Amino acid sequence: EPEVTQTPSHQVTQMGQEVILRCVPISNHLYFYWYRQILGQKVEFLVSFYNNEISEKSEIFDDQFSVERPDGSNFTLKIRSTKLEDSAMYFCASSDGSGGGEAPLHFGNGTRLTVT
Amino acid sequence: AQTVTQSQPEMSVQEAETVTLSCTYDTSESDYYLFWYKQPPSRQMILVIRQEAYKQQNATENRFSVNFQKAAKSFSLKISDSQLGDAAMYFCAYRKWGKLIFGQGTELSVKP
Repeated sequence: EPEVTQTPSHQVTQMGQEVILRCVPISNHLYFYWYRQILGQKVEFLVSFYNNEISEKSEIFDDQFSVERPDGSNFTLKIRSTKLEDSAMYFCASSDGSGGGEAPLHFGNGTRLTVT
Repeated sequence: AQTVTQSQPEMSVQEAETVTLSCTYDTSESDYYLFWYKQPPSRQMILVIRQEAYKQQNATENRFSVNFQKAAKSFSLKISDSQLGDAAMYFCAYRKWGKLIFGQGTELSVKP
């Protein structure tokens, strides 16, 4: 069964550094998402992406965050200047179809980001 | 704005027994979709079951079934014949367009 692939599985970075989290969505999917989960807390929506542009973003997704689909297969999340509170598990997800809700989101295994 | 609430932070069940996890949500929409995701210690997010709001029939997937009460905006998950591998965090989620909105999660432990 096709999978969403995320790399790296664990990233450690120093405060103020830039990080790029990478995702390869399922190949025929059209809608892409980033979520984050601070340890022990709920899974929070960051951003959705369709047709090479952001379709929705949360208030968490401020100017230090950006997303890109550079080559038609990868989907990246960049955090420009990391803060301690950015430490979390980051999940990429993709879905096919209308995006209207019927198609479930398929999640990657996540990238654990630790900011020191 | 839509919200999803899971009022049981932790639940415990004996192996082979049945357990029900609760979920309520708030929306003004009439057509939407509801999901249960399982997150084992590996922290992978695994789809367990989904329900279309326009369907009155409750969804079932093997040992997993839901009790969908649209008027009450309730969407509980029943796990029958619980197995040790069912131990995980379970998230209820709502979707109308685009993003999923998750509840806070219920940590399920299974006792042998």
